[in-house]
Amino acid sequence: SQQGEEDPQALSIQEGENATMNCSYKTSINNLQWYRQNSGRGLVHLILIRSNEREKHSGRLRVTLDTSKKSSSLLITASRAADTASYFCATDYGGSQGNLIFGKGTTHSVKP
Amino acid sequence: SAVISQKPSRDICQRGTSLTIQCQVDSQVTMMFWYRQQPGQSLTLIATANQGSEATYESGFVIDKFPISRPNLTFSTLTVSNMSPEDSSIYLCSVLDKTALAKNIQYFGAGTRLSVL
Repeated sequence: SQQGEEDPQALSIQEGENATMNCSYKTSINNLQWYRQNSGRGLVHLILIRSNEREKHSGRLRVTLDTSKKSSSLLITASRAADTASYFCATDYGGSQGNLIFGKGTTHSVKP
Repeated sequence: SAVISQKPSRDICQRGTSLTIQCQVDSQVTMMFWYRQQPGQSLTLIATANQGSEATYESGFVIDKFPISRPNLTFSTLTVSNMSPEDSSIYLCSVLDKTALAKNIQYFGAGTRLSVL
């Protein structure tokens, strides 16, 4: 089965800087989603990009999708300490309803 | 979006015992899922909890080890049976609600952090 792979595994930046996380996957998809997980908490859906879209924005988040390279990136602009969390990409490859394949995640730390 | 309550939030259990985790949703949802997240790892789907019928298990997970109940459209339980230290993980339930069904966006509970001694 396919699996999303994020890089870097860990990212540490200063408050106010931009952070970019990448995700690669293996097979064709219907959509790709990004989730955030704060320490000790469940996952929160951030943004979804469909396979026929190339870029999407939501607040300080910008997601790109390159289906030819089977990759996506998540950019967080002007990072804040509250953005400290793990970020996961998840691919919907059109299998059983609800079956998302999650990547290994990027641990993102923002220093005040 | 659906609001999900999961309990217990954490537990420390002895080897060989069983723990039942509850997931309560504030609205009726079509699909509920159970995931395992091993320390420092990603999420792995254990099973889809089906209302009124047996759960659908993913490869590597069996009903005897992870029995699941779903008596109605707002509630499900996952039992981790005959636990060993290798079962130490975070267990998460998630749901697809009506508004997110077409997009396959899932809403998660806060998780149960299980440690097996």
